[in-house]
Amino acid sequence: QKEVEQNSGPLSVPEGAIASLNCTYSDRGSQSFFWYRQYSGKSPELIMFIYSNGDKEDGRFTAQLNKASQYVSLLIRDSQPSDSATYLCAVLGQNAGNMLTFGGGTRLMVKP
Amino acid sequence: KAGVTQTPRYLIKTRGQQVTLSCSPISGHRSVSWYQQTPGQGLQFLFEYFSETQRNKGNFPGRFSGRQFSNSRSEMNVSTLELGDSALYLCASTGQGEKLFFGSGTQLSVL
Repeated sequence: QKEVEQNSGPLSVPEGAIASLNCTYSDRGSQSFFWYRQYSGKSPELIMFIYSNGDKEDGRFTAQLNKASQYVSLLIRDSQPSDSATYLCAVLGQNAGNMLTFGGGTRLMVKP
Repeated sequence: KAGVTQTPRYLIKTRGQQVTLSCSPISGHRSVSWYQQTPGQGLQFLFEYFSETQRNKGNFPGRFSGRQFSNSRSEMNVSTLELGDSALYLCASTGQGEKLFFGSGTQLSVL
């Protein structure tokens, strides 16, 4: 069973702080890693993707990948109340077409 | 560029009925995937279609089926509905590359 694990939260951070969201995966052959944001009652929205070990930055978001440890993280700098949502980690395995395996999501609450 | 369009947005059915959901991908995208989202199980992969062929299938019973047309539009069908089929059904389209873009989903309630 290929799994993707996330802490369900809620993760509560004050406005302006750094939010750190973590994800582990079991399939060592996984090639691509994605972070989706989902507001309540809405569909998932792709915010970051990373393919190689290391960090990838886009605005206030940084994705970090460590394939040896099978670990992906998402950092949100200068957190805003509008960042309050559920963040879903998704992993694409080898030869999986476009079949993503999702974690259960971490609910983030940014308090003003 | 228009996004992924799913219809209908909401559906209410009773047990034993069947339902068909529709998805129009982003223009130029040839891959369409379907996912089921429930509070208990999260997002689970149903199937993926590419150029009218099913490329991958998740671990769902045969009551769940799909197809893709030559214009890349896709439909999924659920027959003999059960209460546990109540869920948000999400369609995602993919162009070149592996990034999936989701539609707004169809919220299915089975009574």
